[in-house]
Amino acid sequence: DARVTQTPRHKVTEMGQEVTMRCQPILGHNTVFWYRQTMMQGLELLAYFRNRAPLDDSGMPKDRFSAEMPDATLATLKIQPSEPRDSAVYFCASGLGWTEPHYEQYFGPGTRLTVT
Amino acid sequence: AQTVTQSQPEMSVQEAETVTLSCTYDTSESDYYLFWYKQPPSRQMILVIRQEAYKQQNATENRFSVNFQKAAKSFSLKISDSQLGDAAMYFCAYSMNRDDKIIFGKGTRLHILP
Repeated sequence: DARVTQTPRHKVTEMGQEVTMRCQPILGHNTVFWYRQTMMQGLELLAYFRNRAPLDDSGMPKDRFSAEMPDATLATLKIQPSEPRDSAVYFCASGLGWTEPHYEQYFGPGTRLTVT
Repeated sequence: AQTVTQSQPEMSVQEAETVTLSCTYDTSESDYYLFWYKQPPSRQMILVIRQEAYKQQNATENRFSVNFQKAAKSFSLKISDSQLGDAAMYFCAYSMNRDDKIIFGKGTRLHILP
């Protein structure tokens, strides 16, 4: 049963610290998405990749957030320095993009980040 | 820009009854996809049902069905015979054809009353 995995599931850190979240997309999927979910803003797209190339990171605060795909099996989202307003659940999703008949994105379980 | 609006932040339904969740969207495109995702307390996002805009027939998945009104840009989800396990946040979502991205609404929290 293929699924997207994310680590860590929970992270508590102090303001100013670096946070790295990792995602392993489903093998063979060529698109990877990072979302942030908060009560106020709902589900926001931060960045996405197709074939490991970043295509859109307009939703991401550029000064402190960075997203990369070092290889096809790993996507990372870093926050440096972290701030209390970054507290949220961060989801990774993967899919086959618009080449897949039904455009489905498969979500990971999320990383709950708390910045104190 | 495309937008997705869910006007009901919360809803409640009695177990075994039927409930309809509303969704409207705004787009100038004619070819697109619409989705309903479910997020239970476990946080896992699960695709419930999808609809291709070029199909006139409403999609159905077991107890879940949609009412797709293309001209009105309306896409409601009907859950029949509600079960306790249906309690979750439900997100309506839109994707333009040949675009990887999905745009989500703010969600509707559904409570099932025993």
